[in-house]
Amino acid sequence: AVRMTQSPSSLSASTGDRVTITCRASQSISSYLAWYQQKPGKAPKLLIHAASTLQSGVPSRFSGSGSGTDFTLTISCLQSEDFATYYCQQYQSYPLTFGGGTKVEI
Amino acid sequence: EVQVVESGGGLAQRGGSLRLSCTASGFTFSNYAMSWVRLAPGKGLEWVSTITNSGGSTYYTDSVKGRFTISRDNSKNTLYLQVTTLRPEDTAIYYCAKVPAPYCGDDCYLGHWGQGALVTVSS
Repeated sequence: AVRMTQSPSSLSASTGDRVTITCRASQSISSYLAWYQQKPGKAPKLLIHAASTLQSGVPSRFSGSGSGTDFTLTISCLQSEDFATYYCQQYQSYPLTFGGGTKVEI
Repeated sequence: EVQVVESGGGLAQRGGSLRLSCTASGFTFSNYAMSWVRLAPGKGLEWVSTITNSGGSTYYTDSVKGRFTISRDNSKNTLYLQVTTLRPEDTAIYYCAKVPAPYCGDDCYLGHWGQGALVTVSS
């Protein structure tokens, strides 16, 4: 199975900050990577797929980059509604696997 | 508007069974693969199972193989997860999610999610 390692597991930030989250795959997954946002008590929400394609309706302050084994999610100007947990997921092969999550808090 | 709504969660004893359902609307259900993903207390998201649009192929994470069965009824726009031989570590919120393709090829991410169904397994 492809293991997905996210870092950091949590971070403290302020509104207006630029935030970067890293996801590393244990083997090459090309660009078969998605990013999700989850708020407490809510369903996960797809932000980005194919490593860098922004899902329709997602604000442009979110961006993704990378290919192969190393990927990043960047929030260019953190807003209050962005405080949440973020997960990466590889879909290059079964079993589908998620990173452990990054909690973005104040 | 795409919607998926889970039901059937609840409290079960170790070794017990439940059937989760996921009713879909707002899209042609029979054209898309569907998945189940769970979130255990204090843990991260874990993929559980995926079924192709026709139901002809199914996939499972190792920890549930032989205990969980995914199925679908395209005439009822409904996805199912039969969970048996439950263990305390199966305690989680179970989410139903739509895959944006009939099978997992280049697009096996999860575009739309339900609000989840809580399964609690007592020991």
